Parts: sequence; C-alpha cells; structure tokens
Amino acid sequence: DSGVTQTPKHLITATGQRVTLRCSPRSGDLSVYWYQQSLDQGLQFLIQYYNGEERAKGNILERFSAQQFPDLHSELNLSSLELGDSALYFCASSVGGEDTEAFFGQGTRLTVV
Amino acid sequence: QQPVQSPQAVILREGEDAVINCSSSKALYSVHWYRQKHGEAPVFLMILLKGGEQKGHDKISASFNEKKQQSSLYLTASQLSYSGTYFCGTGGYTSGTYKYIFGTGTRLKVLA
Repeated sequence: DSGVTQTPKHLITATGQRVTLRCSPRSGDLSVYWYQQSLDQGLQFLIQYYNGEERAKGNILERFSAQQFPDLHSELNLSSLELGDSALYFCASSVGGEDTEAFFGQGTRLTVV
Repeated sequence: QQPVQSPQAVILREGEDAVINCSSSKALYSVHWYRQKHGEAPVFLMILLKGGEQKGHDKISASFNEKKQQSSLYLTASQLSYSGTYFCGTGGYTSGTYKYIFGTGTRLKVLA
C-alpha cells in the first residue's frame, strides 16, 4: 500500500458526461501528479500540483481540469467525455516539487460507453 | 517527443543481467525509472538528476548522460520479481513549462 488513495476504483459513464476523480496523497506529501494510461498511448503525464499551485503541465486536454485543495487532496475533472478517454487514471504524490520520489495510487479505471 | 526505450522486450533467465536504454531528442533535467507489473500501479525505482550521476540500490542501478540525452537502467543477477514493464520518465522544459514525458516502455520477463 503506497498510502495514496484514489476513488472511485472503477467508473463507467456515457459519452458527453462529466466525471470527477479524487486523490488523497500520502500524509505529508505536498505534490500531487495525475497520469493517464491507455493501451495505445502508454503512460501520459497530465498535470502536477504542489501545495495548491499548478507546478508542471503535460498534454492535458482542455476538457480536463484539476485542482488541489487546502487539505492537499486533488480532483481531476473530465468533461464532454469521448470513447477515447477510456483509460486508467493514476494519481501519485511526493514530498517535494519536481523530481522527487513519487508514490502511485492504485488508479481509477474509466470506461466511456 | 516521447523518449525511445530499447529493447522493446527482453526475456531473461534468473541470474542473468539486462540493460534498458532510454534516449530523448530533448535536453533533459532528470530521468525517472519505474517498474509496473501487470494490473498494478507503477512503482518508483530511482531518479537521476543533471550531472551524469549513477545511482543504484540492491542489484538495480542507472546512469544518466545528459550530453547524450540518454539514461540506462542496469539489472544484475535478475530475479523473478524483476518481471514487469519498465518506463523511463524524462523531466525538462518545453516552451517554458516543466513537463514529464514517459518512454515507450520495455517489457521484461524473467524465467526460472
């Protein structure tokens, strides 16, 4: 157990809908990272927050947004969902900013039908 | 541009050594290595920062040559538990924004 909690574990939703994925980092970790993993795209970095502020950004779609709250948990919002958004979404956390050891949650499997 | 890993896949016998390479076309500030077993989350192995350092723990070590924009992961005396997919993740600036980009992955299987 990495100490990073993601909910829900599985999500099935229809195209055009909006969903929110939640991540609770390890106690004491200030950074939260979001990743998308699909069969055809591999592991893709989406975005990083450090102590509530956006710190690094990958190729996150405009339909996706994230935030980190004062209690350091984070949410990833996915809207206007398309079939191609079906993937495993991982959250990870680390103590520091860039380039520090990251611990991954077990992921949320999103299926868009 | 996604870093390219080689080989794409490798099969070893227990006790054999392996090297996994990660090459980028962009200047790198850092290289991260992860191992992911099927159906599980990636697990952090190590980070190497600018400076050409080599790191290691147990029988897994890595090097980072920032001039060549390459990193290599060395697995010595492999164990069954080493099986999985290995990813390198590179950190660097693109258009003023810090980004992490993951490599194409190397599937490694260790046989008894």
